[in-house]
Amino acid sequence: GENVEQHPSTLSVQEGDSAVIKCTYSDSASNYFPWYKQELGKGPQLIIDIRSNVGEKKDQRIAVTLNKTAKHFSLHITETQPEDSAVYFCAASGYNQGGKLIFGQGTELSVKP
Amino acid sequence: NAGVMQNPRHLVRRRGQEARLRCSPMKGHSHVYWYRQLPEEGLKFMVYLQKENIIDESGMPKERFSAEFPKEGPSILRIQQVVRGDSAAYFCASSPTGGRGSYNEQFFGPGTRLTVL
Repeated sequence: GENVEQHPSTLSVQEGDSAVIKCTYSDSASNYFPWYKQELGKGPQLIIDIRSNVGEKKDQRIAVTLNKTAKHFSLHITETQPEDSAVYFCAASGYNQGGKLIFGQGTELSVKP
Repeated sequence: NAGVMQNPRHLVRRRGQEARLRCSPMKGHSHVYWYRQLPEEGLKFMVYLQKENIIDESGMPKERFSAEFPKEGPSILRIQQVVRGDSAAYFCASSPTGGRGSYNEQFFGPGTRLTVL
């Protein structure tokens, strides 16, 4: 089945710097890759997603890139702010997963003022 | 437009008791997914349901766990004879589409945090 690996597990940056989180997946048939932000005590919040027919998607300070050949995708956050501090999860889904999301292990991002 | 609702938000049970977790999907969503998050871990898929049907229960433990999504009312995740290892956060997500071949934007509820004493 699908396996998603996420790195790094923790990431600390200074306010205003950029943060990059990377994920790899194993099933070449996966075609949908969402990113979630989870704040302490809350449910995961969908922040951006990308589908396999595009290589990059951007929404204000957040961007996601997808390399289907290498089977990896990345989250880029520019001009980080303290409120970006949270745990971020990548996930993959597609035909072989029948709709369910397979999550990475999570990255705890800390943005220091 | 209310999001995904889950209740209770916190649930404490003693070993051997039953736990019932409820999930009301977003308006217009007929696909419900349950995930479990153990402390310091990612989310693991448990079960996928549509109204009155279990589509995929490959992530559900074989014993003590069951789920339903009746024609009327919320989806229920039921855990019988709870053990300490069941302590976790249980999240429900809903989607307007589902199944193979579709892009499943899933929106999560706030979760139910189950503690087994």
